[in-house]
Amino acid sequence: AQSVTQLGSHVSVSEGALVLLRCNYSSSVPPYLFWYVQYPNQGLQLLLKYTTGATLVKGINGFEAEFKKSETSFHLTKPSAHMSDAAEYFCAVSDGAGNMLTFGGGTRLMVKP
Amino acid sequence: DAGITQSPRHKVTETGTPVTLRCHQTENHRYMYWYRQDPGHGLRLIHYSYGVKDTDKGEVSDGYSVSRSKTEDFLLTLESATSSQTSVYFCASRPLAGVNEQFFGPGTRLTVL
Repeated sequence: AQSVTQLGSHVSVSEGALVLLRCNYSSSVPPYLFWYVQYPNQGLQLLLKYTTGATLVKGINGFEAEFKKSETSFHLTKPSAHMSDAAEYFCAVSDGAGNMLTFGGGTRLMVKP
Repeated sequence: DAGITQSPRHKVTETGTPVTLRCHQTENHRYMYWYRQDPGHGLRLIHYSYGVKDTDKGEVSDGYSVSRSKTEDFLLTLESATSSQTSVYFCASRPLAGVNEQFFGPGTRLTVL
């Protein structure tokens, strides 16, 4: 069975500050890991994914995440927050075949001017 | 982005009435999924399909049924809607191989009074 825990349902940062959204997972098989973003009244859009290979993954809009197997973590970061980053972010883990996704509860990011 | 549409986008219905939500994709994707999104729970899988007429249950399937008679269409039916089924419903799809992530539709907001 797989599970995902996102620490902090709400995170608030100032514009220009570091963004750090935390994700820990459990999986009985080598995981595929994903971060999705959801803007208000829209569907989910893929930010980045880890499958195999390099553990530091770069995504769209300046976001990146690092897969740390020893810590079972896949935290999402961005060096400098922009107002347009305000959205809800979801971490997800899939089985090795990528057929089934298990989502975390989501973190709503607020960016203050 | 994958061409995934959902209809209707908004629906208000009464307890005990049947409701059908439609998902349509133009990408010839093999897999299709129905999720519900509720605050604090992220997205939870209701049912999924791995081919025409091939479906299986997800985490929260009670009270829901699905059908897939064509590759491009995946229907979700609430046989007798209850207030606990008030939610936002998302459809997603992914191809058979080579790409792990799922592509999401814009969502349907369902209110059961």
